[in-house]
Amino acid sequence: EVQLVESGGGLVHPGGSLRLSCAASGFTFSHSAMNWVRQAPGKGLEWVSCISDSGSTTFYADSVKGRFTISRDNAKNSLFLQMDSLRVEDTGVYYCARGEGGGILPEDYWGQGTLVTVSS
Amino acid sequence: SYVLAQPPSVSVAPGKTARITCEGNNIGSRSVHWYQQRPGQAPALVISYDSDRPSGIPERFSGSNSGSTATLTIGRVEVGDEADYYCQVWDSSSQHALFGGGTRLAVL
Repeated sequence: EVQLVESGGGLVHPGGSLRLSCAASGFTFSHSAMNWVRQAPGKGLEWVSCISDSGSTTFYADSVKGRFTISRDNAKNSLFLQMDSLRVEDTGVYYCARGEGGGILPEDYWGQGTLVTVSS
Repeated sequence: SYVLAQPPSVSVAPGKTARITCEGNNIGSRSVHWYQQRPGQAPALVISYDSDRPSGIPERFSGSNSGSTATLTIGRVEVGDEADYYCQVWDSSSQHALFGGGTRLAVL
C-alpha cells in the first residue's frame, strides 16, 4: 500500500524557517517524481514544487522560488521542503504527492498534509 | 501566464448529472487532470489525461477536453460526491503545474 506521511509543520514567525519531510512507503520511491502542493485556509490548491526521480531536476512556483528548496533522499525514501524567509501568506496545509508513472503529473497519491502557520 | 477558470459552485439533485467545466486558452491541446477533495481530506485523483479513470473510481465519473473547455461529468450523482473539484494542467512554457480555482459541488 502506498503511503505518504508528512511531518515538520508548526508555528513560525515571519522571516523564519521550517523543514518539511515526507516519508514514503509501499512503492519504489527512487522511480517516482514528487510534488509539494499547499492549501491556504479556506482556499484552493496551489502547486509549490516538484523534483524528478533522481533529484537532478526541480521546478518551483513563482511565489516560492528563491525561498523554498525541494530535495530528496532516495536511500531513505524521503522527500523534503526547506522553507526559508517565510511569509504570512505561506500559511496552509502542505501535501506531498507522487507523480504517476515516473512523471510529474498527475499526482496519484497524496499524504494527509502538515499544517504550517506563519504568524507573529 | 496560463490561467484555468472554474465556476465556484455547481448544484445538482441526487441521481442527476453534474458537469464541472475548466476553461483555458486552447486547453484541448493539453492533458487535464481532475481531483476531488472532500471536506477535511486530502485531494484524490479522479480523472487523468482528460478522460482516464484511475483504479477504484466509479464509472459515473468521466472527462472530456476540447477547444477551450475541459469537462468533468459525474452521472447519477450521490450525496457522497459533495466535494471540491479541481482541474490541473502542466504549463510547459513556465515549467509549472497549475490548478483551477476549484468548484464546490453541492448535492441538493
